[in-house]
Amino acid sequence: EPEVTQTPSHQVTQMGQEVILRCVPISNHLYFYWYRQILGQKVEFLVSFYNNEISEKSEIFDDQFSVERPDGSNFTLKIRSTKLEDSAMYFCASTQGTGGTEAFFGQGTRLTVV
Amino acid sequence: AQSVAQPEDQVNVAEGNPLTVKCTYSVSGNPYLFWYVQYPNRGLQFLLKYITGDNLVKGSYGFEAEFNKSQTSFHLKKPSALVSDSALYFCAVRDSFWKGTSYGKLTFGQGTILTVHP
Repeated sequence: EPEVTQTPSHQVTQMGQEVILRCVPISNHLYFYWYRQILGQKVEFLVSFYNNEISEKSEIFDDQFSVERPDGSNFTLKIRSTKLEDSAMYFCASTQGTGGTEAFFGQGTRLTVV
Repeated sequence: AQSVAQPEDQVNVAEGNPLTVKCTYSVSGNPYLFWYVQYPNRGLQFLLKYITGDNLVKGSYGFEAEFNKSQTSFHLKKPSALVSDSALYFCAVRDSFWKGTSYGKLTFGQGTILTVHP
């Protein structure tokens, strides 16, 4: 069964450093998403991406965050200058396109900012 | 704005008994509703969805959910719980309205920890 894969599974970084979280969505999917889950809290939407541009973003997704699909297969989330409060599990997801289709999630990247 | 509420942080049931995990939602248009399960150190796994049609939907691992429009609820159920069902369960909603470039984000509830005792 096709799946969304994310790397790394766990990343520890120092405050102020840049991190790039990587995702390989399912190959025939068209819509891509990043969500995050701070420990003990609900899963929160960050950004959606379609046709090589951002479709929608939340208030969390400020200028420190960026996304791109550099090569048609990978989908990355960059945090330019990490803060302690960026520590969370980050999930990538993809869908085929119609609103009724379910999103497939990766296993997540646990980001720890120290 | 859309929202989801899962009123129970934890649900405890004995193996073999029926289980219910509650979910209510709020959305401006017609809802697309989803249940996901998360096992420790794993991603979110899709269980089932309601898009349209029959209010009772069946999904993976024997789970089902009932859509109730008047009560804006989408409770997850299983007739006979297994210890292996113990996990964190999330209800999510998406507005069915096409926004021009996407169908919009999924909004999740805070999750319910299901514990099934032997």
